[in-house]
Amino acid sequence: RKEVEQDPGPFNVPEGATVAFNCTYSNSASQSFFWYRQDCRKEPKLLMSVYSSGNEDGRFTAQLNRASQYISLLIRDSKLSDSATYLCVVSRRGGGSQGNLIFGKGTKLSVKP
Amino acid sequence: NAGVTQTPKFRVLKTGQSMTLLCAQDMNHEYMYWYRQDPGMGLRLIHYSVGEGTTAKGEVPDGYNVSRLKKQNFLLGLESAAPSQTSVYFCASSYVAGGTDEQYFGPGTRLTVT
Repeated sequence: RKEVEQDPGPFNVPEGATVAFNCTYSNSASQSFFWYRQDCRKEPKLLMSVYSSGNEDGRFTAQLNRASQYISLLIRDSKLSDSATYLCVVSRRGGGSQGNLIFGKGTKLSVKP
Repeated sequence: NAGVTQTPKFRVLKTGQSMTLLCAQDMNHEYMYWYRQDPGMGLRLIHYSVGEGTTAKGEVPDGYNVSRLKKQNFLLGLESAAPSQTSVYFCASSYVAGGTDEQYFGPGTRLTVT
C-alpha cells in the first residue's frame, strides 16, 4: 500500500452538493493527520487537523478511523470557492524523519454554478 | 508578518548550471523544510532542518544541498542542474516538528531546467 493514498478525482459537482474525500494511510504508527487545501498554482494551506473523535469546522467535517487507517473529509453545501485540490497529510513515524509529513497526491474538486 | 517568502519566484536554467533558492520566515519557527511538487507525484520532502546549523535528508535529497546558517533562512542549492529537477519548489516552516504542528508554506519557486 502507498504511504498515503487518495481518490484520484477530479470531482465535478454543482453548487450546494455534498462532497466526500477519502484517504488511506499505511503506517499504523502515524499520530497526526491533516487536510490541506491547494489552489491552482498556489501553496498548500492547512484546512483542518483530524482528530480521533472527529471534528467539524462549519461546512467541513473530518473523520479518522485508526483501525482501518482511513481518513475522510466531508464538505456540505459546496461553494464555488471550494474549488481546489485537497491533500490528505499524515505524519511519518520512526527513524530520523520522525514527525515529518507525508502528502497524498491530492484530489481536485471543481464546483460548478 | 510576511510569513514564509521565497526567492526567486521563477527561474530557467540550462543543464549544468547552478543556483540557490532562498527561503525566509519571520515567525521564529524552529523547523524548516524544502519540498518539490511534480504533476501526479504530490509533495516530496527534499531536505529539512530542525534548527539553526542543522540539516537532514528527506525523501529525495540527491542533487540538492541545503544550509541553515540563520534560524530565519533556509537555502536550497542545485550544484549542477538537470532536466529532472524541473519542478515547483516549496519551502515550509513550523514551530515544532511537522507531525504535531501546522506547516506554513511559501508561494513556491517554479524552476525549469532545459
